[in-house]
Parts: sequence; structure tokens; C-alpha cells
Amino acid sequence: EVQLVESGGGLVQPGRSLRLSCAASGFTFDDYAMHWVRQAPGKGLEWVSGISWNSGSIGYADSVKGRFTISRDNAKNSLYLQMNSLRAEDTALYYCAKGGLSITGTPWRIWGQGTMVTVSS
Amino acid sequence: QSVLTQPPSVSAAPGQKVTISCSGSSSNIGNNYVSWYQQLPGTAPKLLIYDNNKRPSGIPDRFSGSKSGTSATLGITGLQTGDEADYYCGTWDSSLSAGKFGGGTKLTVL
Repeated sequence: EVQLVESGGGLVQPGRSLRLSCAASGFTFDDYAMHWVRQAPGKGLEWVSGISWNSGSIGYADSVKGRFTISRDNAKNSLYLQMNSLRAEDTALYYCAKGGLSITGTPWRIWGQGTMVTVSS
Repeated sequence: QSVLTQPPSVSAAPGQKVTISCSGSSSNIGNNYVSWYQQLPGTAPKLLIYDNNKRPSGIPDRFSGSKSGTSATLGITGLQTGDEADYYCGTWDSSLSAGKFGGGTKLTVL
């Protein structure tokens, strides 16, 4: 069974950092690009970042560029999101999603259940 | 404001048909594949349509997708109360080098 399980969310003060993880199973992880997508409470989906299979191609939404860093460890079938200088507007449920063969290749075919990040003092 | 524009809400009676539009530009819908996602209350999004008009295994043929120019459409026939959900279109934007979603459309089955 293809599965993505996110972890690492929680309550954090503005300006602090948090690292999210996504454990993948049930498919050949290093064949696919991976993405982070977030959803603020009561709002729509927002693509955050994507990374190609070999980490050679990486992209970020303008809203997180310079503050967030995506990475992956194919040996551990894991995806990460390092979030620095967190702001209240980063409060959201963060989903890990399996992409296509390249970072530009939608769809986002498989989604995890998400991990909640709350930025508040 | 989203790069991809969807109506905030649509509604129809059980058994009827509804369409949801997604309008973009040449840098996104016009030159990239469109996918559609269903998000039932309290759950993660689920892929409904990919590559404009293809259905993943397990998605009933009541769901269909189409694309023309810089717009895409999701169609749902034989509406059921279980179809009440938020629906999102998504694609890649080549100019922004970023993934993009529409603002979402809430479907109500009256």
C-alpha cells in the first residue's frame, strides 16, 4: 500500500524554526518528485515546495522562498521541510504529496494525512 | 487571489449533473496538464482527474475532465450526497516555476 506519513508539526513561536518529515512506503521513492502542500484553517490548498528525485531541481512558492528548505533522503525514503523564521501566516496543515517523474510533473497523486503547524506566541 | 480561478460554490440536486470551471493562463493551464482533487470534510485531498481527462483506478466514470485553451472543466454526473466536498484544480505554472491550485469550489448536493 502506498503511504505517506507526515510528522514534526506543533506549536511554535513566531521567528522560530521547525522541521517536518514525511515517511514514504509502498513505492519506489527515488523514482518520483515529492512536494509539500499546505492548507491554512478554513482556506484552500497552497503549493509550498517541490524536489526532483535526485534533488537536482527544487522549487519554492514566493511566500516561503528564503525561509523554507526542502530536502530528501532516498536511502531513508524520507522527505523533509526545514522551516525557519516562521510567521503567523505559516499556520496550516502541511501535506506531503507524491509527484510525477519531474518536479514540474503534476498530478500530486498520493497525499499524506498532514501535520499541523501553528505559529503563535 | 489565486492564479487559477474557480467559482466559490456550485449546487445541484441528487442525480443531476454539475460542472466546475478552472480558468488560468498560457503559462499554466494553457501549456501544462490539469488535475482535479476532491477534499471531503476533514480529510486529505484525493486525486480525481489527471492529465486533463484521465481517471485514476477506482474513480467512477461519473467524474470527467476536459481542457480547452486556458480553461479546464470538471464534470460530475449522477450527483450523490457523498459527492459534497471541496474540489480543486491544479497545475504547474511554467512562468512562476511553481505548482498552483485554484481557490476551490464547494459542491452542495441539495
